[in-house]
Amino acid sequence: GQQVMQIPQYQHVQEGEDFTTYCNSSTTLSNIQWYKQRPGGHPVFLIQLVKSGEVKKQKRLTFQFGEAKKNSSLHITATQTTDVGTYFCAGHYGGSQGNLIFGKGTKLSVKP
Amino acid sequence: EAQVTQNPRYLITVTGKKLTVTCSQNMNHEYMSWYRQDPGLGLRQIYYSMNVEVTDKGDVPEGYKVSRKEKRNFPLILESPSPNQTSLYFCASSLDRYYNSPLHFGNGTRLTVT
Repeated sequence: GQQVMQIPQYQHVQEGEDFTTYCNSSTTLSNIQWYKQRPGGHPVFLIQLVKSGEVKKQKRLTFQFGEAKKNSSLHITATQTTDVGTYFCAGHYGGSQGNLIFGKGTKLSVKP
Repeated sequence: EAQVTQNPRYLITVTGKKLTVTCSQNMNHEYMSWYRQDPGLGLRQIYYSMNVEVTDKGDVPEGYKVSRKEKRNFPLILESPSPNQTSLYFCASSLDRYYNSPLHFGNGTRLTVT
């Protein structure tokens, strides 16, 4: 079946350093969504990217969708302790919501 | 408050004892889904429902049943739980069945089967 590969699995950074997580699909995606799960919490929707080459920003977070719509990245500038959690990408392969495939997530820890 | 409510939050049971995890949403969402989350494996879809009386298997449906008799409720049933079903379970819903609606997750149910 379809798979969305997400790397790295874990990332430990010093507060103030940047962080990036990458998602990759072998086939073209219709769109990609990003979610954040705080420790002990549930995934919370962050953003959706639809267009080829799309770039969206939310304060210190920058989301990109590749030109071929097969990869995406989330970059956090100057991490803070509030950024701690697991970041998931979820790729849509068209059609219904049933075709939404989650990456395995990147767990971010931030050392103050 | 718009939300997805799961119950119970924590459940410890024994092998073979039937259980139901309830999920209810108050947002009139069309689409609902169940996921299990295991360390290193991310979120894997168990079953989903695109509308009342319409359910489909996800990636890991074995050992689970669901029903969607009403729009707001989507219970997850484990007829004969086994230890390999020990996991963190999330119910999620979205406005419609199409691919541009974000998922709203419940708070999760941590199930332990001994």
